[in-house]
Amino acid sequence: SQQGEEDPQALSIQEGENATMNCSYKTSINNLQWYRQNSGRGLVHLILIRSNEREKHSGRLRVTLDTSKKSSSLLITASRAADTASYFCATALASGTYKYIFGTGTRLKVLA
Amino acid sequence: DAGVIQSPRHEVTEMGQEVTLRCKPISGHNSLFWYRQTMMRGLELLIYFNNNVPIDDSGMPEDRFSAKMPNASFSTLKIQPSEPRDSAVYFCASNGEGFYGYTFGSGTRLTVV
Repeated sequence: SQQGEEDPQALSIQEGENATMNCSYKTSINNLQWYRQNSGRGLVHLILIRSNEREKHSGRLRVTLDTSKKSSSLLITASRAADTASYFCATALASGTYKYIFGTGTRLKVLA
Repeated sequence: DAGVIQSPRHEVTEMGQEVTLRCKPISGHNSLFWYRQTMMRGLELLIYFNNNVPIDDSGMPEDRFSAKMPNASFSTLKIQPSEPRDSAVYFCASNGEGFYGYTFGSGTRLTVV
């Protein structure tokens, strides 16, 4: 079964709006990462948040982590058509391992 | 750095044939991962290597799948014999020391007919 589940599965917004995606996971983690995948391409690493961090920013991206609820959110502010992609969360299950389990993904479509 | 290089980009083969997928990780990265992506099952971790040694192959679906990493700059994923249900996009990714995020290759789209 999947460690991470993203919500919603699909999201369609207008350019300039903010997009929020959520990820829930089942077991304790060392850290959580978010990736973007454009259609037909490989995944691109966006941001990593460690289990002792609550919020992290990178450009127009804001990630939060709530370990008590086993959930994370990715906020993309002022979205652009180029942000259209699938977004995945990935969790490292145990300390000292680089094995990441990916969630099911959120398909984001930004309309120009 | 050219990134993680996978070959071929596309492979179409007949059921029963042997298929070999190749990956060259980023120089200096000591962990390598093979993932499979399908619409039904999403991204599945098949196997990962650390310092050329297989650490976890619990995701390898069955004995028809095998992976090797003879040196730090090359890995193969072999399917023998291939079946239509193996059709998927296979990604290779590498990671250096510490948690900085994987670098993925562009993937190999495998179609078994």
